Amino acid sequence: ETGVTQTPRHLVMGMTNKKSLKCEQHLGHNAMYWYKQSAKKPLELMFVYSLEERVENNSVPSRFSPECPNSSHLFLHLHTLQPEDSALYLCASSQGITFSYEQYFGPGTRLTVT
Amino acid sequence: AQTVTQSQPEMSVQEAETVTLSCTYDTSENNYYLFWYKQPPSRQMILVIRQEAYKQQNATENRFSVNFQKAAKSFSLKISDSQLGDTAMYFCALNAGNNRKLIWGLGTSLAVNP
Repeated sequence: ETGVTQTPRHLVMGMTNKKSLKCEQHLGHNAMYWYKQSAKKPLELMFVYSLEERVENNSVPSRFSPECPNSSHLFLHLHTLQPEDSALYLCASSQGITFSYEQYFGPGTRLTVT
Repeated sequence: AQTVTQSQPEMSVQEAETVTLSCTYDTSENNYYLFWYKQPPSRQMILVIRQEAYKQQNATENRFSVNFQKAAKSFSLKISDSQLGDTAMYFCALNAGNNRKLIWGLGTSLAVNP
């Protein structure tokens, strides 16, 4: 595997389910990100981790719970989601969190909440 | 507040021709980076090109080049010799100062027609 991988690629869940999204980066980066991508909206940054420490949490509802056990893995735990949470969830990584570093993205998980 | 505006929701170009995508931004920071990312229909976002604000020379990457007008806060992307594989959403993004966030535009959907 190379780059940034995400599983699953597609997920359909009911509002009462609990599921997790997984992201893995094979680039030796120190920072990882979760984004939400919805139609007609700019990408929304959800969480930022640097060296496994959460450094940014952009007023994301508590039904989204991130976990970063090490610098290569990032999870997004989902529970009691709402239909408006349906979107493409993108994971990204970068060498560091300063503004000069470009981010490398995974293919995304298409989430549908029914 | 930092903003990024892409005023062209959709564009099309014939194969082998040149197309320019526009992006304007606003920031009060003196040093910042600007990025163009491409998201093909397969969804994996990839970096096309980046520009540091302190560098006067416009960045180029093969067929991709930018026209960076710092005073006008404009950062357009020129794609020369367009290819079918250039069909994608193109996002302009800004990262400035101590901000850990990339500020994203809404994107331009580019279709390259045979």
